[in-house]
Amino acid sequence: DAGVTQSPTHLIKTRGQHVTLRCSPISGHKSVSWYQQVLGQGPQFIFQYYEKEERGRGNFPDRFSARQFPNYSSELNVNALLLGDSALYLCASSPGLSADTQYFGPGTRLTVL
Amino acid sequence: GQNIDQPTEMTATEGAIVQINCTYQTSGFNGLFWYQQHAGEAPTFLSYNVLDGLEEKGRFSSFLSRSKGYSYLLLKELQMKDSASYLCAVILTGGGNKLTFGTGTQLKVEL
Repeated sequence: DAGVTQSPTHLIKTRGQHVTLRCSPISGHKSVSWYQQVLGQGPQFIFQYYEKEERGRGNFPDRFSARQFPNYSSELNVNALLLGDSALYLCASSPGLSADTQYFGPGTRLTVL
Repeated sequence: GQNIDQPTEMTATEGAIVQINCTYQTSGFNGLFWYQQHAGEAPTFLSYNVLDGLEEKGRFSSFLSRSKGYSYLLLKELQMKDSASYLCAVILTGGGNKLTFGTGTQLKVEL
């Protein structure tokens, strides 16, 4: 069975640009969460979506937005990129919203120059 | 706020046993996860504790004490491939399954 997939694997952008990151959850999983991981730190929660609705938002500015599609895949959008947005962006899926184990994708490495 | 503490780095010898500690102070607690993350890769699930006690899974075991806000991950018969970052993460009450992570413990296994 395919695990969580993310695209692209690597991305280089310049300050002020916008970026869209994509995630496909494990088949049958209806919840997708996004995390940002800066080098040397643990992942930080950005968003959680379940059944196409936002169910949680972390302490990130409004430049960050996301959505979930009917097939449960998800996109994370970041506008007006800053140097500090350079990080590994991880997507995780789980069957539902209860204390289910979250399974992570390989991540998208974003570099902002 | 939420506070999750882990040692930054640890070094151990191949074949030995290592214990990685995690302490947490959180408003509400609904479970604790351990993940392993190799450099440049995604975190992979190791264990989940919600009740006090020890959970054993092969060479890896995880312990939880809710009253002390304390957990540890025990790795036995260390192998070189166990060199990785080990992330402690908690789920808070009412937070769905949103994970709040510590900074991770970088384990280096030496010959």
